[in-house]
Amino acid sequence: EAQVTQNPRYLITVTGKKLTVTCSQNMNHEYMSWYRQDPGLGLRQIYYSMNVEVTDKGDVPEGYKVSRKEKRNFPLILESPSPNQTSLYFCASSSQDRGVYGYTFGSGTRLTVV
Amino acid sequence: AQSVTQLDSHVSVSEGTPVLLRCNYSSSYSPSLFWYVQHPNKGLQLLLKYTSAATLVKGINGFEAEFKKSETSFHLTKPSAHMSDAAEYFCVVRPLGTGGSYIPTFGRGTSLIVHP
Repeated sequence: EAQVTQNPRYLITVTGKKLTVTCSQNMNHEYMSWYRQDPGLGLRQIYYSMNVEVTDKGDVPEGYKVSRKEKRNFPLILESPSPNQTSLYFCASSSQDRGVYGYTFGSGTRLTVV
Repeated sequence: AQSVTQLDSHVSVSEGTPVLLRCNYSSSYSPSLFWYVQHPNKGLQLLLKYTSAATLVKGINGFEAEFKKSETSFHLTKPSAHMSDAAEYFCVVRPLGTGGSYIPTFGRGTSLIVHP
């Protein structure tokens, strides 16, 4: 089944403790992206990647890091999480399709930083 | 540059009545337009998409949307609401056919409430 898999689904952590949210897709998509969703703000892009070893900042990159060493994986790293990073996070992927296809989203990771 | 405005943060309908969720966009390029649905505690699912073919687009679960270039709109409709349609809906725009530009812009979402 074609899908984007995020782990974990739920995570509670303490301020300053480094964490990684994993994202993996099995569709050989070139494009991958991370979003955070907050009430009233919709989805905001954190980072995106056009292909292996090619990453760039989205709208809200502060406090986050990413890497794209393999095509299928795009982990999101919070080096020193803070309470304002409490949010619902989504990973998405898309093929290099010039706009024809949509995006496939993961099921989300609900992160709480206390 | 591109932007998306979902004109209503909440829409409330009775089961069996029509649904209208409004979306206006702006884009410097010819756009691709999408509607996604998010049910509680779930990820986003693609409902339908417009990519410069037919202006009236049919999607899953009886939804459809019409691309109106003159009005820069892409409103989502359904003739008869079902309780299972209660969810958050997102309108999304991205450039069509501009090579490496895959950056989509999301609307802030419209919460559809369906009353029995």
